[in-house]
Amino acid sequence: EDQVTQSPEALRLQEGESSSLNCSYTVSGLRGLFWYRQDPGKGPEFLFTLYSAGEEKEKERLKATLTKKESFLHITAPKPEDSATYLCAVHSGGSNYKLTFGKGTLLTVNP
Amino acid sequence: DADVTQTPRNRITKTGKRIMLECSQTKGHDRMYWYRQDPGLGLRLIYYSFDVKDINKGEISDGYSVSRQAQAKFSLSLESAIPNQTALYFCATSDSGTGSLHGYTFGSGTRLTVV
Repeated sequence: EDQVTQSPEALRLQEGESSSLNCSYTVSGLRGLFWYRQDPGKGPEFLFTLYSAGEEKEKERLKATLTKKESFLHITAPKPEDSATYLCAVHSGGSNYKLTFGKGTLLTVNP
Repeated sequence: DADVTQTPRNRITKTGKRIMLECSQTKGHDRMYWYRQDPGLGLRLIYYSFDVKDINKGEISDGYSVSRQAQAKFSLSLESAIPNQTALYFCATSDSGTGSLHGYTFGSGTRLTVV
């Protein structure tokens, strides 16, 4: 059974204070690892897909990296508008192509 | 207009009532999903459909049923609502050809309260 664990559950940063969110996973045959952003009361919004260890993707202040066991979402010089819950999900061949989600990390960036 | 539309956005219903949540999409995707989200538990899969004639149970299907009326429409029913079905419900879609590139597209959710 695929498993996804995100840490920390919550993270509070000051504006400009860089940090990283972690996503550890156990899957049978990773086909893709996804990062989503979710604002309160809204549906998750796609950010990145990573396919293989060593891959990196960037978007504005966010950078996602992937190893064989975990992924990191690095946030550089965050702004208050980066405050949201960040979800990690895996897509494996063993799960009949369904996504398995972690519980998310609630990020709060204070001005 | 949103790519994935869920109705209603909010609903309060009484225990024992039947309720239907609806989802329609304009993405042209063949796969559709229903998830519920609870604080501390994350997103959990209720049902999924890979095409109109294919319906599958997810990890928490008890107490729920679904209908795929067309490629673009996928509804979720609670036959007899109970308070622990109070949650935020999301519909999502993906494309079997490119799904691994972009994952899912989510609707804005339905907040259901069972009293």
